[in-house]
Amino acid sequence: TQLLEQSPQFLSIQEGENLTVYCNSSSVFSSLQWYRQEPGEGPVLLVTVVTGGEVKKLKRLTFQFGDARKDSSLHITAAQTGDTGLYLCAGRVSGQNFVFGPGTRLSVLP
Amino acid sequence: GAVVSQHPSRVICKSGTSVKIECRSLDFQATTMFWYRQFPKKSLMLMATSNEGSKATYEQGVEKDKFLINHASLTLSTLTVTSAHPEDSSFYICSALRPLTSGIINYEQYFGPGTRLTVT
Repeated sequence: TQLLEQSPQFLSIQEGENLTVYCNSSSVFSSLQWYRQEPGEGPVLLVTVVTGGEVKKLKRLTFQFGDARKDSSLHITAAQTGDTGLYLCAGRVSGQNFVFGPGTRLSVLP
Repeated sequence: GAVVSQHPSRVICKSGTSVKIECRSLDFQATTMFWYRQFPKKSLMLMATSNEGSKATYEQGVEKDKFLINHASLTLSTLTVTSAHPEDSSFYICSALRPLTSGIINYEQYFGPGTRLTVT
């Protein structure tokens, strides 16, 4: 059974702080995606990482795919209230099969 | 990015009636779409994989006769909740699979905005 874990489950920080959230598995993924979801809306794709060790930056967000392609991290610099949301990671295991993590719920307080 | 729409965004229906939800990929063709259900403050629960021109593949525990899926074209999949009951009330989200334009065959999922179903 494929299993993706995310940590922490909940995170509440002040605006301007930095944070890192993690996505871990014992399985190897051919690619991994990060999404942000706001209440009442569908998840929005932030990034796709494919190569082990890959680092991608999206403004204040930095995504890293582990060398062994089993884990990933998302680092946010100088968090803003607009970063509040549910962050989901999803790993592609084979073909068109994806596994979703349980999510990290982030609250950025003004 | 790719755009996926869902219609309706909200629907309220009476117990025993059927409700159809549409999922469209607006700027790309999707041979594969997924249907998810999401409970409050929880992650996504995959219900079924919708394949264009063939039968959907349902996850364990999802009743295929209750949740009818039709993927009649490369840009449209529909989910019909038949004989709806209050326990079917939920947030239903679809996604469409788009191939990545890289040397390695890979895919990205793009999600619709979701449909809030309330069964009274």
